[in-house]
Amino acid sequence: DAGVIQSPRHEVTEMGQEVTLRCKPISGHDYLFWYRQTMMRGLELLIYFNNNVPIDDSGMPEDRFSAKMPNASFSTLKIQPSEPRDSAVYFCASSLQGEQYFGPGTRLTVT
Amino acid sequence: QKEVEQNSGPLSVPEGAIASLNCTYSDRGSQSFFWYRQYSGKSPELIMFIYSNGDKEDGRFTAQLNKASQYVSLLIRDSQPSDSATYLCAVSFSGGYQKVTFGTGTKLQVIP
Repeated sequence: DAGVIQSPRHEVTEMGQEVTLRCKPISGHDYLFWYRQTMMRGLELLIYFNNNVPIDDSGMPEDRFSAKMPNASFSTLKIQPSEPRDSAVYFCASSLQGEQYFGPGTRLTVT
Repeated sequence: QKEVEQNSGPLSVPEGAIASLNCTYSDRGSQSFFWYRQYSGKSPELIMFIYSNGDKEDGRFTAQLNKASQYVSLLIRDSQPSDSATYLCAVSFSGGYQKVTFGTGTKLQVIP
């Protein structure tokens, strides 16, 4: 299996621009998670889906953040408008039995 | 607030020694416990999970769970320089089987 795939791997954008991060989970996994990792706050859960349905979005920091999962093999995390404090590494993870498998992450820099 | 606590380290051990990494959690009803390894600049990698009290061994790794004390640990035997990484403890709290909370991680340094 190819594992969890994320794109882009790096994103540099200016404040105010829209950013879209993409994730393809492991085939057959029915849970998908979006995390954000910073030195200050560690690894934070933003939102997770079960069978393409959002279950818990309590970690989404603001209305500027939105996530969708239109089908079992694709999810997006969108930030609009982006701000410098959104700079972080964003991870997508998927699971079937509780053990989560992470993608390589997207390093986002907002200038 | 449900919390997972880890000592940030760094924990330094000589090559060949046993490294002991510890984690405490706040919710007595927690169900599942995971250890992830994260190399610098890389994503977290699952190395162990444990659901029941006691020990679980996998190669050089042993996870130990004590639910009464709300404590989970990871032992790494015959530590190697390649084990140098940050180790993240993750706990799924009661009522949330799939949702886990991560600790901030312990940085392990294995000295050759």
